[in-house]
Amino acid sequence: KQEVTQIPAALSVPEGENLVLNCSFTDSAIYNLQWFRQDPGKGLTSLLLIQSSQREQTSGRLNASLDKSSGRSTLYIAASQPGDSATYLCAVRPGGANSKLTFGKGITLSVRP
Amino acid sequence: EPEVTQTPSHQVTQMGQEVILRCVPISNHLYFYWYRQILGQKVEFLVSFYNNEISEKSEIFDDQFSVERPDGSNFTLKIRSTKLEDSAMYFCASREEKLFFGSGTQLSVL
Repeated sequence: KQEVTQIPAALSVPEGENLVLNCSFTDSAIYNLQWFRQDPGKGLTSLLLIQSSQREQTSGRLNASLDKSSGRSTLYIAASQPGDSATYLCAVRPGGANSKLTFGKGITLSVRP
Repeated sequence: EPEVTQTPSHQVTQMGQEVILRCVPISNHLYFYWYRQILGQKVEFLVSFYNNEISEKSEIFDDQFSVERPDGSNFTLKIRSTKLEDSAMYFCASREEKLFFGSGTQLSVL
């Protein structure tokens, strides 16, 4: 059974810092991995999707990497801003046309002005 | 950008009552999902739906739950007799490749 772990559960950094959020998963037979952002009481916004054949994806100040063989992904946030404060979740999807995502519990990020 | 739309945003109900949560997936998507998130816990898979039938369901999705796609646009989750432990945020999602989530329905069972 796939397990997704995100440690630490919470992180507080000063504005402007570059930071890395980690995600690990137990079964490396994944189809893709997706990073989401969740603001308090809100839905999930997709940030980046990495296919299993890819090593990384970039969008603006965000860069996500994937090392499938070791079961790890990182989300790099450059020059963090207070508006980046949110919970960041990673989710993996196994093979199969209609397969579901398995989520980590998320990392709650607080960027201090 | 296209959106998954969910209504209502909040629903308060008495234990034992039936609730219907509604979703309008993105129009050209073929795969639909319901997830839920109990406060402070992980987002959990409930059910997936493709080609007008359930393709997978979790052990949470027992006989009290059902899904329907009554027309070409709506996708509903029904809970027949709500329990206190059904209180959660319920998310609808749809995809081609990337999964898009709605903003959720906060269900409170009293």
